Amino acid sequence: GAGVSQSPRYKVTKRGQDVALRCDPISGHVSLYWYRQALGQGPEFLTYFNYEAQQDKSGLPNDRFSAERPEGSISTLTIQRTEQRDSAMYRCASSPQTVIGEQFFGPGTRLTVL
Amino acid sequence: SQELEQSPQSLIVQEGKNLTINCTSSKTLYGLYWYKQKYGEGLIFLMMLQKGGEEKSHEKITAKLDEKKQQSSLHITASQPSHAGIYLCGADGASDYKLSFGAGTTVTVRA
Repeated sequence: GAGVSQSPRYKVTKRGQDVALRCDPISGHVSLYWYRQALGQGPEFLTYFNYEAQQDKSGLPNDRFSAERPEGSISTLTIQRTEQRDSAMYRCASSPQTVIGEQFFGPGTRLTVL
Repeated sequence: SQELEQSPQSLIVQEGKNLTINCTSSKTLYGLYWYKQKYGEGLIFLMMLQKGGEEKSHEKITAKLDEKKQQSSLHITASQPSHAGIYLCGADGASDYKLSFGAGTTVTVRA
């Protein structure tokens, strides 16, 4: 079956532009997570949804970052007025349960801000 | 959040040899997860450990969680080129959903 998909896979943008990163979780998965991974580091938690409700956004670096999951399925992570320090791999994961358990990760979106 | 340290940072092993990766936490681990990352792909789930002293194996990979639940090891027996990649340990704490990850261990298998 289909796994978690993310689009675009690569995004190059100029500083100051807004970007929207999309995550399509495994069908029926209740929980959806966003992580950011810098080169040579492990993923770092950004935010988390159960169904359409954003349960925790404490990992979002600042108010330029926002995420939504309006129908409890596809999620969009938006970064406004991008800065060079936003360059990273952005990973999405989904899970069939609302408590901790195996998270299924997508291939990620590599964001480069020039 | 959990602070996880992985060692070594990288290692090169001859094909057929064994290798061990360690993951140490500053706090008691509620759940410890091992993932493998390959270039251009997502993180692949390997194993999850929850109980002190627990050990799980899948094919040639064995993961253990110590009794105090603050350290885990991942052991690969008779390594193959397919074992090459970045191995990440992740852990959840009392929050029940956030995963904190170590920085990863890069494994290279030489033919």
